[in-house]
Amino acid sequence: RKEVEQDPGPFNVPEGATVAFNCTYSNSASQSFFWYRQDCRKEPKLLMSVYSSGNEDGRFTAQLNRASQYISLLIRDSKLSDSATYLCVVNIPGGSQGNLIFGKGTKLSVKP
Amino acid sequence: DAGVTQSPTHLIKTRGQQVTLRCSPKSGHDTVSWYQQALGQGPQFIFQYYEEEERQRGNFPDRFSGHQFPNYSSELNVNALLLGDSALYLCASSFGEPSYEQYFGPGTRLTVT
Repeated sequence: RKEVEQDPGPFNVPEGATVAFNCTYSNSASQSFFWYRQDCRKEPKLLMSVYSSGNEDGRFTAQLNRASQYISLLIRDSKLSDSATYLCVVNIPGGSQGNLIFGKGTKLSVKP
Repeated sequence: DAGVTQSPTHLIKTRGQQVTLRCSPKSGHDTVSWYQQALGQGPQFIFQYYEEEERQRGNFPDRFSGHQFPNYSSELNVNALLLGDSALYLCASSFGEPSYEQYFGPGTRLTVT
């Protein structure tokens, strides 16, 4: 089983739609959780950290369920500029694969 | 405030050659991590440098080596290049230990022919 699993998509949605991405992780020692955004042929950029209590940043809401080892990202009122690949990332201090374990990413395409 | 910078942007090498990639961390950051991202995959951790020493290493062969300088900048060296080494090589910087939030540079796209 992969350490971090995501639905690869693509998710094709119209502008204004609400879209949700899910991610599961296998290592219960994971301590920190993030969503990164990566535009085509660009570097990943930190979108938001994910906290146990859930957190919101404008149109973006992230949730963490430690018991189910599940992370989600909700994007409301999608914009064309939201089109990108969204990477679910887990931090496992001292893990054999390094601090940050990345999922393969979920591709989002927002259409006019 | 300069972000993470990497050089070169693109590189084409032939099998068997050696390559050196460079990274300057974000101002105030002291930890540098290197990742390899193949097409359609998430970044894979290569190694991490802190206080000029390799602190952690991923599942990459010894052909991949690195160095961190006193000014926190870093190099990634790959010897005896293989076709499968073609990828985007990303450098990420962070501060302190444990290194939670990492900020990525634009990457070096390496093509091995």
